[in-house]
Amino acid sequence: GAVVSQHPSRVICKSGTSVKIECRSLDFQATTMFWYRQFPKQSLMLMATSNEGSKATYEQGVEKDKFLINHASLTLSTLTVTSAHPEDSSFYICSASAQGGTEAFFGQGTRLTVV
Amino acid sequence: RKEVEQDPGPFNVPEGATVAFNCTYSNSASQSFFWYRQDCRKEPKLLMSVYSSGNEDGRFTAQLNRASQYISLLIRDSKLSDSATYLCVVHGGFKTIFGAGTRLFVKA
Repeated sequence: GAVVSQHPSRVICKSGTSVKIECRSLDFQATTMFWYRQFPKQSLMLMATSNEGSKATYEQGVEKDKFLINHASLTLSTLTVTSAHPEDSSFYICSASAQGGTEAFFGQGTRLTVV
Repeated sequence: RKEVEQDPGPFNVPEGATVAFNCTYSNSASQSFFWYRQDCRKEPKLLMSVYSSGNEDGRFTAQLNRASQYISLLIRDSKLSDSATYLCVVHGGFKTIFGAGTRLFVKA
């Protein structure tokens, strides 16, 4: 299957700082990328959907000014958690799909801990 | 109502048992359906796609009923290595939605 690389896999940051997570499609052009968050023992929750070159569409309840998503190229999307708080500590996963593709390929996930 | 709903689980079964997971979705315009498997603290991995005609891959059988907006996954002859969380996934309208997942524990 196609490869999606997510970086970093693990990050610890102080409250009030910002953290950037990268999601790269290595061997295909990802016209659409999805960002999910998963709290312990809970399901993957879709945060936002981004299409290359346009603004991301955020799910209800997700603050777009706090979770900045950039999808400037067909191989890279970034999620920046701004002014992080301990309650933002979670497992963040990206997935990417090609134009017309029905399958999404996942990055390895990023475990964010805000202290 | 949630867009994708699954059996809550957990399912605790002995090795060799047959276990079935169910999933319903609310958007009748949904186009594609999948079962993913997620191991603890890992990313989800595609287990199999689900087709209207039903499909089988070894011990795993998936079925889709569009009229009832219902998806199922059957695992036969359960192995210890099948222990994981199984996620029902529905794709449509440029959005991929995951069910909450059902945890399966297979015991010796």
